[in-house]
Amino acid sequence: GENVEQHPSTLSVQEGDSAVIKCTYSDSASNYFPWYKQELGKRPQLIIDIRSNVGEKKDQRIAVTLNKTAKHFSLHITETQPEDSAVYFCAASKEITGGGNKLTFGTGTQLKVEL
Amino acid sequence: GAVVSQHPSWVICKSGTSVKIECRSLDFQATTMFWYRQFPKQSLMLMATSNEGSKATYEQGVEKDKFLINHASLTLSTLTVTSAHPEDSSFYICSAGGKSNQPQHFGDGTRLSIL
Repeated sequence: GENVEQHPSTLSVQEGDSAVIKCTYSDSASNYFPWYKQELGKRPQLIIDIRSNVGEKKDQRIAVTLNKTAKHFSLHITETQPEDSAVYFCAASKEITGGGNKLTFGTGTQLKVEL
Repeated sequence: GAVVSQHPSWVICKSGTSVKIECRSLDFQATTMFWYRQFPKQSLMLMATSNEGSKATYEQGVEKDKFLINHASLTLSTLTVTSAHPEDSSFYICSAGGKSNQPQHFGDGTRLSIL
């Protein structure tokens, strides 16, 4: 099955700095890569996603890059703010029989943005 | 946007009790729903894929007789934790949607505490 590794497990940055989180996946059939932000006790919230036919996607301060050959993808947050502090999960997904995507999550990164 | 409602949000019960968790897609039909479990400071682990009108597909290591899944309609899936014990205490989250490389929509989760 799919295996997703995520690094680092914790990341502390100063407000205004950039943060980068990296993930690798093992299954070449995976073709959809969402990133989620999860605050304590809450549901994961989709912040950005990328499909396998695209190498990069940007949405304001957040960007994601994908290298299919190397099977890795990264999340970039610029101009970090204290409210960016949360746990971030990457995921790799492939379509399953009957419809829907089966998500495999990375291990998570606790991001702390310090004033 | 698509909304997934999950109830109850919080359950505390005695060891040996069976607990049912409901997951509803409110404004769309979901032939496939997913059930995840998340222990403190860990990632979301897929437990099973719930298929409308057929048996659920369980991930390796998940006891199907312990975690009963019923997907009786296109808008409702239920997870029943039978004879729950303290080690079953966790955060259970469902998701739905996610056709072909589209985002999944998560419920708010259920915090289950078994005394």
